[in-house]
Amino acid sequence: DGGITQSPKYLFRKEGQNVTLSCEQNLNHDAMYWYRQDPGQGLRLIYYSQIVNDFQKGDIAEGYSVSREKKESFPLTVTSAQKNPTAFYLCASSRTGPLYGYTFGSGTRLTVV
Amino acid sequence: EDQVTQSPEALRLQEGESSSLNCSYTVSGLRGLFWYRQDPGKGPEFLFTLYSAGEEKEKERLKATLTKKESFLHITAPKPEDSATYLCAVRVVSGGGADGLTFGKGTHLIIQP
Repeated sequence: DGGITQSPKYLFRKEGQNVTLSCEQNLNHDAMYWYRQDPGQGLRLIYYSQIVNDFQKGDIAEGYSVSREKKESFPLTVTSAQKNPTAFYLCASSRTGPLYGYTFGSGTRLTVV
Repeated sequence: EDQVTQSPEALRLQEGESSSLNCSYTVSGLRGLFWYRQDPGKGPEFLFTLYSAGEEKEKERLKATLTKKESFLHITAPKPEDSATYLCAVRVVSGGGADGLTFGKGTHLIIQP
């Protein structure tokens, strides 16, 4: 079955550490996205990529970095510069074009300890 | 600035008690409106896409409708398993040529047996 896989499901980070969240899809989608979800705030876009080797900043990109070396993979690194990283992180993918919605992964919950 | 507002923030219903959730939007260049269901600790699950005013779509006890300024998600005779957060999102064309989804904060629905 095609889908989008995020790992790990839970992640704990110490102050000052960088951590990387994995996102892999086998849907042959060109576009991939990273969102952050906080209680009462809805989903906020961190980064998105519409093609391999290209990506764009979203609304809250500070303290995060991404890469898109393969069509199937779009990892997100939460750097030590991100002051409040504790959140639920969601990866999504879609076909390119206005007719298509997103397919979401199951999320990674990141907690700073 | 594009905005998506969902109301109410939370709704508690008795099993079998029908109601509606609202999603109002102020965007330019609307390309589509999407409804998702999200269970706690999981990624959003796609429900419906609506593209033009007057359009309606149904799935089991859910029916989504669209006007020029808002969308409604009608829930008929709900069951406890319909309890979830329902997210609305609009797809617009951004100035950079890329398109993306702007999400509302969601309506948390609880159906009591």
